[in-house]
Amino acid sequence: QKEVEQNSGPLSVPEGAIASLNCTYSDRGSQSFFWYRQYSGKSPELIMFIYSNGDKEDGRFTAQLNKASQYVSLLIRDSQPSDSATYLCAVKTSYDKVIFGPGTSLSVIP
Amino acid sequence: NAGVMQNPRHLVRRRGQEARLRCSPMKGHSHVYWYRQLPEEGLKFMVYLQKENIIDESGMPKERFSAEFPKEGPSILRIQQVVRGDSAAYFCASSSQGGATDTQYFGPGTRLTVL
Repeated sequence: QKEVEQNSGPLSVPEGAIASLNCTYSDRGSQSFFWYRQYSGKSPELIMFIYSNGDKEDGRFTAQLNKASQYVSLLIRDSQPSDSATYLCAVKTSYDKVIFGPGTSLSVIP
Repeated sequence: NAGVMQNPRHLVRRRGQEARLRCSPMKGHSHVYWYRQLPEEGLKFMVYLQKENIIDESGMPKERFSAEFPKEGPSILRIQQVVRGDSAAYFCASSSQGGATDTQYFGPGTRLTVL
């Protein structure tokens, strides 16, 4: 089992819809969880971080964490074409290393 | 510019040459991480450094690769005798304190092409 897995893409949603990106992790002692956005040819850009179970909202983005299920997700409301990018889930494990998932490619269709 | 800086942005080397990649962390940050990203693949951790110390190099290939973060100056990732398989984007990230709530911020990356 890979340490951090993400739902396989590419994911296509129409403009204005909700995009749902999922991530699971194997280390039950993981402490912190991050979502990065990466445009093609660019570096990863931090969108959200979450440490506690539940939801965390920031503008159109909501991160959800369920440590019992070892699951973290990112919801993007009112998706825009400019949201089209690869979304990377990153997990800081119990041994203090940040592991990145393979990424999910999102395409928002106008 | 208070962000993470990397140079050069693009680097072309012939097989067998050396590549030196530089990373200046964000102001106030003392932790540096190096990642490699192959085309259409995810980020792979290489090494984690603090000033004058290598904390975790479990992702570094055993040969030809080395990293340092001296007391003064940028962090350096050095690749000796490059091969075509080293062609990739190399990203540096920095953070302020380590620990559970620590957050990494990325530089623009260095795209290495080995001819």
